[in-house]
Amino acid sequence: QKEVEQNSGPLSVPEGAIASLNCTYSDRGSQSFFWYRQYSGKSPELIMFIYSNGDKEDGRFTAQLNKASQYVSLLIRDSQPSDSATYLCAVNYFGNEKLTFGTGTRLTIIP
Amino acid sequence: GAVVSQHPSWVICKSGTSVKIECRSLDFQATTMFWYRQFPKQSLMLMATSNEGSKATYEQGVEKDKFLINHASLTLSTLTVTSAHPEDSSFYICSARATSGGTHTDTQYFGPGTRLTVL
Repeated sequence: QKEVEQNSGPLSVPEGAIASLNCTYSDRGSQSFFWYRQYSGKSPELIMFIYSNGDKEDGRFTAQLNKASQYVSLLIRDSQPSDSATYLCAVNYFGNEKLTFGTGTRLTIIP
Repeated sequence: GAVVSQHPSWVICKSGTSVKIECRSLDFQATTMFWYRQFPKQSLMLMATSNEGSKATYEQGVEKDKFLINHASLTLSTLTVTSAHPEDSSFYICSARATSGGTHTDTQYFGPGTRLTVL
């Protein structure tokens, strides 16, 4: 069974600091990795995706992928109160249309 | 780009009635759409995968006769909750899969969700 695991949190980070969110996955055939943000009562919105080992940066967000260790992380620099949300890690593998989601990490940015 | 809409955004209905929810990809074509359900403070639960022009594939435990899915075009999928009951009250979210043409960047974009309350 393919699994995606995240620490459910809550993770509290002071405003302006770096928030680090981690995700591990069980299937070595996993191909693409996604980070979604979900505010309470809203649907998930895509932050970024990554499929190659290493780092991928987009504004204040950096996704890091390490396929050998089977983990993917999301760093949020200069955290803002508006970053407070649940962050969902999702994984899929080539030939499968579905995404496997983690249960999400609840992040709270403390002003 | 990659905008997905859902209609209605919320609906209240009486027990025993049917409710139809529409999911549209506004600026891209989606051969595949997905329907999820989310109860308060719980994870997303995939209900079914909807492919244009073919029957939907339902996840284990999801009643296909209760949750009717139709994917009639490359931009529209509908979910009909038939004979709704209070336990069907939930947040229903669709997503549409955008393909870039490559093998790695198939990405799901979510609609804003539909909150269903069955009285």
